[in-house]
Parts: sequence; structure tokens; C-alpha cells
Amino acid sequence: DGGITQSPKYLFRKEGQNVTLSCEQNLNHDAMYWYRQDPGQGLRLIYYSQIVNDFQKGDIAEGYSVSREKKESFPLTVTSAQKNPTAFYLCASSNGVAKNIQYFGAGTRLSVL
Amino acid sequence: KNQVEQSPQSLIILEGKNCTLQCNYTVSPFSNLRWYKQDTGRGPVSLTIMTFSENTKSNGRYTATLDADTKQSSLHITASQLSDSASYICVARGFGNEKLTFGTGTRLTIIP
Repeated sequence: DGGITQSPKYLFRKEGQNVTLSCEQNLNHDAMYWYRQDPGQGLRLIYYSQIVNDFQKGDIAEGYSVSREKKESFPLTVTSAQKNPTAFYLCASSNGVAKNIQYFGAGTRLSVL
Repeated sequence: KNQVEQSPQSLIILEGKNCTLQCNYTVSPFSNLRWYKQDTGRGPVSLTIMTFSENTKSNGRYTATLDADTKQSSLHITASQLSDSASYICVARGFGNEKLTFGTGTRLTIIP
């Protein structure tokens, strides 16, 4: 059953804590993305990766970090430097062909304790 | 600055009725536009994708139109069902650009 799996579905962060959101895909896609969704706003790009061991900052990368050691995995770490982390986080992947359709995971909702 | 604006912000209609959602974009140079459906607490799912040379595309009861001259798109839903209740997001992509520009979505509620 092909798709994108995000975990956990819900996550709580304490003050000063780093937390990592998992994203795994078995679609054999080269490109992967992390977005943040806030109420009343469009999705905003945090980081994206077009190939293993390479990634680029999106529009709101401050306070976040990523790694791409495997094609299937693109974890996102929300660091303590991100002062307003409460949001719905979405991971996506695409196969990079012309129309570049992005397929999304079910999301992780992060809240601050 | 690339922007996508959607209207209305929210819409409530009776089951079985039709509705049309609007999207205006200022992405340039323009490559393609897609509509996504997002159920509450879930990730968006692609409904249609259109390049600048395509005027209309259908996916079941969903029909999207694109006017590249006026930079407008619409999503028409025919014979609405309760399961159509969701947010509908318009997304534009610039030519040669990996990044997408997302609208804020239209929240559609279908009532029985």
C-alpha cells in the first residue's frame, strides 16, 4: 500500500525542547517537502529536498532542521529556537516529472505544553 | 510577489446543490494550477491539475476551469454530497520553480 506516513499524529513540546516529526514514503519519489499550516493561512514551505543528502530552505526555515540520509525518509526537527511551533505540519513527496503533483501525508499536529 | 487568493472564505450549501469556488493567482511565469481537497485533520489530496494551455478538466463531479489570460480558475462541484464537506485549496506553480504558492482555501460545508 503506497503512500506517505507521518508520525506521530499528535505531539506535545515542552519549553526548550527539540522534537522530531517523522515522514516516510514508499512511493520511490525523489523530492520531499515539509509544510506548516496555520489557521487562515496557506501552506508555507519549511524545507524541501530534491535528492538524498541535499535539502534547501523554504520560506520559513528558521527554528527548524531536516536531514535526508535515505530516499524514503525526511524527518523534521522543531528546535527550541522556533518560538511559535504550534501548527499542523504536513509532509509531501513528488516524483519530479513535469506536473510535479505532490502527495501529502496525514499530518502531525504539534502543540506546546 | 506570487499570490493566490480564493473566494469565498467559507460556503454552506444544501446536499444535492451545485457550487463554484474561485481562485485568482498572480504567479508568473505561470506553469500549472492545481486544486486540492483537504478533509479536517488530514493532508490535502489532489483533485485536478491544469497547465496554462488547458481550459477545463473534470474529475467525476468536480470540474475545474482555467483562464490564463485573466489568471483565474474555478472549481465547480455538481450534485454535492455530504462527503464534499472539506477545505478546497488552490495551488499555483511558476515555470521552472520547485516551490508552490498556496491559497488559504475555501471551507465548504454540505448540510442535509
